Amino acid sequence: DTAVSQTPKYLVTQMGNDKSIKCEQNLGHDTMYWYKQDSKKFLKIMFSYNNKELIINETVPNRFSPKSPDKAHLNLHINSLELGDSAVYFCASSQDVGSNEQFFGPGTRLTVL
Amino acid sequence: GDSVTQMEGPVTLSEEAFLTINCTYTATGYPSLFWYVQYPGEGLQLLLKATKADDKGSNKGFEATYRKETTSFHLEKGSVQVSDSAVYFCALSTYGNNRLAFGKGNQVVVIP
Repeated sequence: DTAVSQTPKYLVTQMGNDKSIKCEQNLGHDTMYWYKQDSKKFLKIMFSYNNKELIINETVPNRFSPKSPDKAHLNLHINSLELGDSAVYFCASSQDVGSNEQFFGPGTRLTVL
Repeated sequence: GDSVTQMEGPVTLSEEAFLTINCTYTATGYPSLFWYVQYPGEGLQLLLKATKADDKGSNKGFEATYRKETTSFHLEKGSVQVSDSAVYFCALSTYGNNRLAFGKGNQVVVIP
């Protein structure tokens, strides 16, 4: 009964490949997020969706494309992977856009070789 | 823009020692303040929060008080255990702005 789940937990791939990370929340929340945590543990928001609509899009390369098929899922697709994309990616959710308490998934460690 | 500053560097201390991690913030409006904890190999968990000035958040022996006059939200615990070894993040958000701004995190290592 994991609240926010992500797959895969680890992802190792070559430069130039395309990969996807999936996120699902069973909390009934309206809003979901993707964060990137770099090698120094610094966390930065990438995207946020509310009820399948994009509401936050930070200065992220357009090789990153989030997709929300329904409000319980927010997937992250990355094209033409680069070495600098290596990081831990966290999915999170909150009740709605006015709620400032967010619940995080376990993270996906992406390593680009 | 909104930002959070945490003290530099890891924190290493002995079991049963007193822990303080400093956090100061800059925000427009009246932010809510949070401490998140990340145990090794895991995602972030909310440790405690405070939503208005002078509120004290507490959980698992940790406390932090929302100080508007000093724009601070320092985390304290009176007697740490080895199991408290983790990375601690201070964060804020303002009402209606659902992005969390995180500090850089502090690695805490508790030695038996």
